Amino acid sequence: GAVVSQHPSWVICKSGTSVKIECRSLDFQATTMFWYRQFPKQSLMLMATSNEGSKATYEQGVEKDKFLINHASLTLSTLTVTSAHPEDSSFYICSARGRESGYTFGSGTRLTVV
Amino acid sequence: LAKTTQPISMDSYEGQEVNITCSHNNIATNDYITWYQQFPSQGPRFIIQGYKTKVTNEVASLFIPADRKSSTLSLPRVSLSDTAVYYCLVGDITGRRALTFGSGTRLQVQP
Repeated sequence: GAVVSQHPSWVICKSGTSVKIECRSLDFQATTMFWYRQFPKQSLMLMATSNEGSKATYEQGVEKDKFLINHASLTLSTLTVTSAHPEDSSFYICSARGRESGYTFGSGTRLTVV
Repeated sequence: LAKTTQPISMDSYEGQEVNITCSHNNIATNDYITWYQQFPSQGPRFIIQGYKTKVTNEVASLFIPADRKSSTLSLPRVSLSDTAVYYCLVGDITGRRALTFGSGTRLQVQP
């Protein structure tokens, strides 16, 4: 079945630095990728939707200059958290959708900003 | 997008059958019903999907009444490893729209 690889699985960074999270579709072409954020004991909240080769569409309240999303190829999307602060600490999850595949989720990235 | 309502939590014991019901009164004609399972610090995992009547796979069954305003995920003979959060999602899976997650149901299976 469709597999989405997300790296890193966890990362700790200092406040003010930037962190990049990668999401790859391993055996299918992801025409659309989605990025979610999940705080402890809460549900997944959609941050943005990106279609290959075009700019991402951000949900209301999500700062596009802080959460940079790049979907340059049909198998790779990246989320860069710029100038991270402790309140950005969360669990980030990507999801990919291909033309003939359903929604497949990555394993998530636990970001801790200290 | 159709909003879903599920119980916040459920408790069960090993070996029992667990039924989790989800209400989606505003489901649209093109919407499918999909259930995901999520363990702590992991991404959601697809369990089952259906449009109407009954769907069964190796891990679960999905019952959908004729009016499609609700659905029930049935997990036969649960084990401790089934302790997780279960999400019911409703949406048009043929398009490019994201899946919208509700609050989910936290299932706790005890020995």
